[in-house]
Amino acid sequence: RKEVEQDPGPFNVPEGATVAFNCTYSNSASQSFFWYRQDCRKEPKLLMSVYSSGNEDGRFTAQLNRASQYISLLIRDSKLSDSATYLCVATSGSARQLTFGSGTQLTVLP
Amino acid sequence: EAGVTQFPSHSVIEKGQTVTLRCDPISGHDNLYWYRRVMGKEIKFLLHFVKESKQDESGMPNNRFLAERTGGTYSTLKVQPAELEDSGVYFCASSQEGPNTGELFFGEGSRLTVL
Repeated sequence: RKEVEQDPGPFNVPEGATVAFNCTYSNSASQSFFWYRQDCRKEPKLLMSVYSSGNEDGRFTAQLNRASQYISLLIRDSKLSDSATYLCVATSGSARQLTFGSGTQLTVLP
Repeated sequence: EAGVTQFPSHSVIEKGQTVTLRCDPISGHDNLYWYRRVMGKEIKFLLHFVKESKQDESGMPNNRFLAERTGGTYSTLKVQPAELEDSGVYFCASSQEGPNTGELFFGEGSRLTVL
């Protein structure tokens, strides 16, 4: 079983749509969680950290449920520029490594 | 400010040859990491330097891989001899703080193809 599991997609949505990505993690000792974004053939870049209280950054909202070991990312009013692969990331139990999910591919259509 | 730079961007070698990948982290970042993504798989941790010391090398697949960070600045990752399964994208990242508290800045990666 993978440590971080994501639906690979692809998700194809029209501009302006709301889209939600889900992720589960298996290591209950993981301490910190993130969403990274990776454009085609580019490097991963931090999109946002994820907190139990939920956090919002503009059109993006991330949520963590430690009891269910579940992480989510909600994108509202999606833009063409949101097209990318979204990587769910957790720190290892030792907190020295990042453990990546396989990524969810999003394409926003005009 | 320059980001994390990696060289070469793409390398094609034959099985049994040697390749050395180089990473220049963001100036002032003590933490340097190597990750890789093989075809169809997720990005996986290889190792972590703090300055010139290996903090964690538990992700290194075998002794054909050797990473160094002499002087605590740039790092090299040598694969010798290369095998077909080593093909993939090797990412370097750096950060001021450890992964639990800080953002990792990734380079664009070195794509390795072993024929």
